[in-house]
Amino acid sequence: DADVTQTPRNRITKTGKRIMLECSQTKGHDRMYWYRQDPGLGLRLIYYSFDVKDINKGEISDGYSVSRQAQAKFSLSLESAIPNQTALYFCATSGRQGGSYGYTFGSGTRLTVV
Amino acid sequence: AQSVTQPDIHITVSEGASLELRCNYSYGATPYLFWYVQSPGQGLQLLLKYFSGDTLVQGIKGFEAEFKRSQSSFNLRKPSVHWSDAAEYFCAVEGESSYKLIFGSGTRLLVRP
Repeated sequence: DADVTQTPRNRITKTGKRIMLECSQTKGHDRMYWYRQDPGLGLRLIYYSFDVKDINKGEISDGYSVSRQAQAKFSLSLESAIPNQTALYFCATSGRQGGSYGYTFGSGTRLTVV
Repeated sequence: AQSVTQPDIHITVSEGASLELRCNYSYGATPYLFWYVQSPGQGLQLLLKYFSGDTLVQGIKGFEAEFKRSQSSFNLRKPSVHWSDAAEYFCAVEGESSYKLIFGSGTRLLVRP
């Protein structure tokens, strides 16, 4: 199984619908992140969490909310989806891994809002 | 605030030619620096990272990068490009004690046969 699992992998939804993207990890890391990727803009940070009770806004949090249900789970919600939220979304964790330090990314969720 | 600039949106090189992808960062203290690669339709793969020590860092797939503090740069290099290197490359920085990764806008590499 992957260290960081995102569900769904692909999703098409209609404008105005509520949608949740889920992320779970087996790394045992405290820190988790949600990024959004758009062509030509790289990855931009939406929200991040350093533990279950510590959640912070990133650079583009408007229109999004998150929930850290447990150390291993971090969900991203779009309360009322709009077409410009069409993007590739990545979840990530960070922490010590094998004597080093780094980030582990999920495979991404491709979201299309029509 | 931290920022990362990748000045080249696209780069085209011939197979077998050398490659250098530029990355400049803005951060007051010593940053942690990363290079990721994303092949079409795929997720992110870590190529290499710099935390401290030797400023020339070796990574996977024959890539290396050099940290130059005086130039606030962390350029990625490869002596001989293969067609399979065609992908998008992202430079990223984590400021000391910030615990979050900030990405550049990416450079798309095209490889001519």
